[in-house]
Amino acid sequence: EDQVTQSPEALRLQEGESSSLNCSYTVSGLRGLFWYRQDPGKGPEFLFTLYSAGEEKEKERLKATLTKKESFLHITAPKPEDSATYLCAVQAGRGYNKLIFGAGTRLAVHP
Amino acid sequence: NAGVTQTPKFQVLKTGQSMTLQCAQDMNHEYMSWYRQDPGMGLRLIHYSVGAGITDQGEVPNGYNVSRSTTEDFPLRLLSAAPSQTSVYFCASTGAGTGAYEQYFGPGTRLTVT
Repeated sequence: EDQVTQSPEALRLQEGESSSLNCSYTVSGLRGLFWYRQDPGKGPEFLFTLYSAGEEKEKERLKATLTKKESFLHITAPKPEDSATYLCAVQAGRGYNKLIFGAGTRLAVHP
Repeated sequence: NAGVTQTPKFQVLKTGQSMTLQCAQDMNHEYMSWYRQDPGMGLRLIHYSVGAGITDQGEVPNGYNVSRSTTEDFPLRLLSAAPSQTSVYFCASTGAGTGAYEQYFGPGTRLTVT
């Protein structure tokens, strides 16, 4: 069964304290892995797509990496405005590109 | 370009009532989906559509109906609301193709069933 697990559930960081969020997945025929950011009361906002092991994508203080079993979202020198829930999702198989989501990691960055 | 819009933003229903959640997109996307989001769980797919006139069930379809008469609109109907349907509902759209395409989400509808 296709599955996505994110850890930790919640993470509290001091401003400037770098860390990583983990997304492990078991899926047959991975077509893509997505990272989304979700602010309270809003819909998920697309961040990155990763297609194959070894791929990396960067955006400001965020860097996403992908292996055959997991993806990491590295946050370098975070700021309070990076506080949000980060969602990981995978797209697998053929046909309709439905997503399988993890439960998310709630990140709080304190000044 | 408004992206994906959803109405209403909030709704309270009594058990047994019916209602329709509206979703529209202006990006000419072929694929549209409805998800529900519950605390501690990932977004779960309710129904999806790969084009006008074509819909199919997702992971949790019971108690919900959809139709797709136009490319732009994809309403979700609750036939007889139950407290278990208390959730936040998100509509999403994406372009068609055989690759991996990111989905764009609306702002959500927060539904409470009493």
